[in-house]
Amino acid sequence: GENVEQHPSTLSVQEGDSAVIKCTYSDSASNYFPWYKQELGKGPQLIIDIRSNVGEKKDQRIAVTLNKTAKHFSLHITETQPEDSAVYFCAASIGEGYQKVTFGTGTKLQVIP
Amino acid sequence: DVKVTQSSRYLVKRTGEKVFLECVQDMDHENMFWYRQDPGLGLRLIYFSYDVKMKEKGDIPEGYSVSREKKERFSLILESASTNQTSMYLCASSISGVGLYTDTQYFGPGTRLTVL
Repeated sequence: GENVEQHPSTLSVQEGDSAVIKCTYSDSASNYFPWYKQELGKGPQLIIDIRSNVGEKKDQRIAVTLNKTAKHFSLHITETQPEDSAVYFCAASIGEGYQKVTFGTGTKLQVIP
Repeated sequence: DVKVTQSSRYLVKRTGEKVFLECVQDMDHENMFWYRQDPGLGLRLIYFSYDVKMKEKGDIPEGYSVSREKKERFSLILESASTNQTSMYLCASSISGVGLYTDTQYFGPGTRLTVL
């Protein structure tokens, strides 16, 4: 089955700096790569996703890049703010109808004011 | 807005008890999922369902069962709770994607289960 590795497990940045979280996946058939943010006491919530026919996608301060050849994808957060502090999960999915998604182990991001 | 609710935020049970965790979604989603979340292990899929009365094993189904009698409700059952099932349990739902496209999963707030 699919295996998703995520690094780093913890990340501390100063407010205003950039943060980068990296993931690798094992199954070349994976075609959908979402990123979820989990705030304290809440369930994960989708913040951005990318499909395998796209190399990069941006949404304001958040961007995701995908390298299908290397089976890498990354989340980039620019101009970090304290409210960006949370646990971030990457995930990969082959699709195939019932939408099974394999998650990474999570990155705890702390933005220091 | 999609809403996924879980019956309890915190639950304490004894070893050997039968435990029911309930999840309800209000968006008519076909797919529903149960995950457990443990530090350093991320989210691991226990079971999922893509239709009423249908279920599929996830990556860690041992010690669990599920029930989906109505489209909006998906229950996780621990037949005989054990201490290694102490964890955060998250329910999620999603619509059926078009073709091979996967769609967003919407998560509930989680149930923190402690088995003593």
